[in-house]
Amino acid sequence: DIQMTQSPSSLSASIGDRVIITCRASQSINRYLNWYQQQPGKAPKLLIYAASSLQDGVPSRFSGSGSGTDFTLSIRSLQPEDFATYYCQQSLTYPPTFGGGTKVEIK
Amino acid sequence: EVQLLESGGGLVQPGGSLRLSCAASGFAFSNYVISWIRQAPGKGLEWVSSLSTTGTNIYYAESVKGRFTISRDNSKNTLYLQMSSLRGEDTAVYYCAKDLGYCSGGTCFDAFEIWGQGTTVTVSS
Repeated sequence: DIQMTQSPSSLSASIGDRVIITCRASQSINRYLNWYQQQPGKAPKLLIYAASSLQDGVPSRFSGSGSGTDFTLSIRSLQPEDFATYYCQQSLTYPPTFGGGTKVEIK
Repeated sequence: EVQLLESGGGLVQPGGSLRLSCAASGFAFSNYVISWIRQAPGKGLEWVSSLSTTGTNIYYAESVKGRFTISRDNSKNTLYLQMSSLRGEDTAVYYCAKDLGYCSGGTCFDAFEIWGQGTTVTVSS
């Protein structure tokens, strides 16, 4: 199975900050990488697919980049509703695997 | 509105069985791969199973293989997960999710585009 490693596991940031979350795959996954946001008590929401494509309705302050084994999710100017847990997920092959998550908290 | 609605969760004893349902609306259900993903209390996301549009291609996580069975009824726009020989480690919120189905230039990318609200399964004596 392809292992997905996210860092950091948690971070504290202020409104307006730029936040970067990284995700590393245990082998090359080309651009088969997705990002999700999960608010407490809610289902995950797709933010980015194919490494850098913004899902419909997702604010443009979110962006994704990378290919091969190293990927990043950037949030340009953190808003109150962005405090959540973020997961990366590879979709190259079964089983689809998720990173351990990054919890973004208010500083 | 595209929507998925899970049901069937509850409290079950170890070794018991449960069947989850996922009712879809607002899209052409029969055209999409649908999956189950679970989340244990305080933990991350774990993919459980996926089923192709016609039911031909079926995939399971090793942790549930031989105990869980995924199926779909396209005439009822519903996905199922029959769970048996349940263990404490199966305790989780179970989500169903619709595949994105995005293809560009001959390359298709999968993602869990739409999620249901989840149904809670608790395995305990």
